[in-house]
Amino acid sequence: SQQGEEDPQALSIQEGENATMNCSYKTSINNLQWYRQNSGRGLVHLILIRSNEREKHSGRLRVTLDTSKKSSSLLITASRAADTASYFCLMDTGRRALTFGSGTRLQVQP
Amino acid sequence: DGGITQSPKYLFRKEGQNVTLSCEQNLNHDAMYWYRQDPGQGLRLIYYSQIVNDFQKGDIAEGYSVSREKKESFPLTVTSAQKNPTAFYLCASSIRDRGAYGYTFGSGTRLTVV
Repeated sequence: SQQGEEDPQALSIQEGENATMNCSYKTSINNLQWYRQNSGRGLVHLILIRSNEREKHSGRLRVTLDTSKKSSSLLITASRAADTASYFCLMDTGRRALTFGSGTRLQVQP
Repeated sequence: DGGITQSPKYLFRKEGQNVTLSCEQNLNHDAMYWYRQDPGQGLRLIYYSQIVNDFQKGDIAEGYSVSREKKESFPLTVTSAQKNPTAFYLCASSIRDRGAYGYTFGSGTRLTVV
């Protein structure tokens, strides 16, 4: 199956800094979603951006989507220690199943 | 509050045993999914179901079985045919128009073969 690629695989920053992670995919999508996963826990839905949208904001989160490059980025501003988690992008391709990216592990140092 | 409940949170299985992981949702969602996550990796689809009494294999269905007798429930059985079952298992659900609102995930079951 097609999996999205995320980079970086791991990111370590200081509290207060911004964190940017990227997701690339291979086929056309209906929408792209970002999720957070704390260690050993379920996934929490963060934000959804549709294929006809270019940018979306939610609190300290900013997501961009470039369908011509088949890529998306998630920016977390003014990061906090509580943002430490793995972040996954999910591509809704219109198929009857979900395709996740490989994930970015974010470590925010207090 | 509506949500997905997975149980148990931790499960230990002896070699050669079948075990069943429970997934229940009270969101009135039509679609339900099972994913497997190995350490440091993304999620891989095992099975999914769009409606009651119907389900489809995902990418790694071998050694697993499911049923969807009720809308609320989508149990996953890990059979003895699954050679490497130790992993973290996540259940998810969505409304029929799944693209519009995202998905809801359970908190997961960690299965260990002893």
